[in-house]
Amino acid sequence: DGGITQSPKYLFRKEGQNVTLSCEQNLNHDAMYWYRQDPGQGLRLIYYSQIVNDFQKGDIAEGYSVSREKKESFPLTVTSAQKNPTAFYLCASSIGLALLDTQYFGPGTRLTVL
Amino acid sequence: GENVEQHPSTLSVQEGDSAVIKCTYSDSASNYFPWYKQELGKGPQLIIDIRSNVGEKKDQRIAVTLNKTAKHFSLHITETQPEDSAVYFCAASRRSGGSYIPTFGRGTSLIVHP
Repeated sequence: DGGITQSPKYLFRKEGQNVTLSCEQNLNHDAMYWYRQDPGQGLRLIYYSQIVNDFQKGDIAEGYSVSREKKESFPLTVTSAQKNPTAFYLCASSIGLALLDTQYFGPGTRLTVL
Repeated sequence: GENVEQHPSTLSVQEGDSAVIKCTYSDSASNYFPWYKQELGKGPQLIIDIRSNVGEKKDQRIAVTLNKTAKHFSLHITETQPEDSAVYFCAASRRSGGSYIPTFGRGTSLIVHP
């Protein structure tokens, strides 16, 4: 059963703590992405990775970090430097970053910082 | 960078009616325009897309039109059904270095009343 998995579905953390969100794909895709979704907002790009051991900042990378040690995995760490971390986080993957490469999204993780 | 405006933010229709969602974009170099459907608690899924060398594309009850001169594109859903109720996102793909990264609109919440 191919696809993208994100865990957990809901995550609660105290303010000031770092938290890591998991994203795994078994689609053999080279490219992976992290988006943030807030109510009434579109999807805003945090980071993306075109290949293992390489990643690029998106539009709102401040307060976030990523790693891409394996092709299948692209974890996102929300650090204490992120001023407003409560949001719905979506991971996506695509074959590559060519024009028509479709993005496939995971089910998302809703992070609430108390 | 690219800016994508999407209207309306909420659209309420009766079952069987048509629904139209409109998007405008700012970067004339954008040349790929996908539409995504996001059901509650799930990640977005691609439902239809259009390239800049095409003016219209249809897939059963959904169609997308593109006006490159005016820099706007629209999603049309005919004979709406309750299961069409979801949030719909448009996107425009822009070139970033050697990669194409989509910029998303803010979404339209479509409600189809039975």
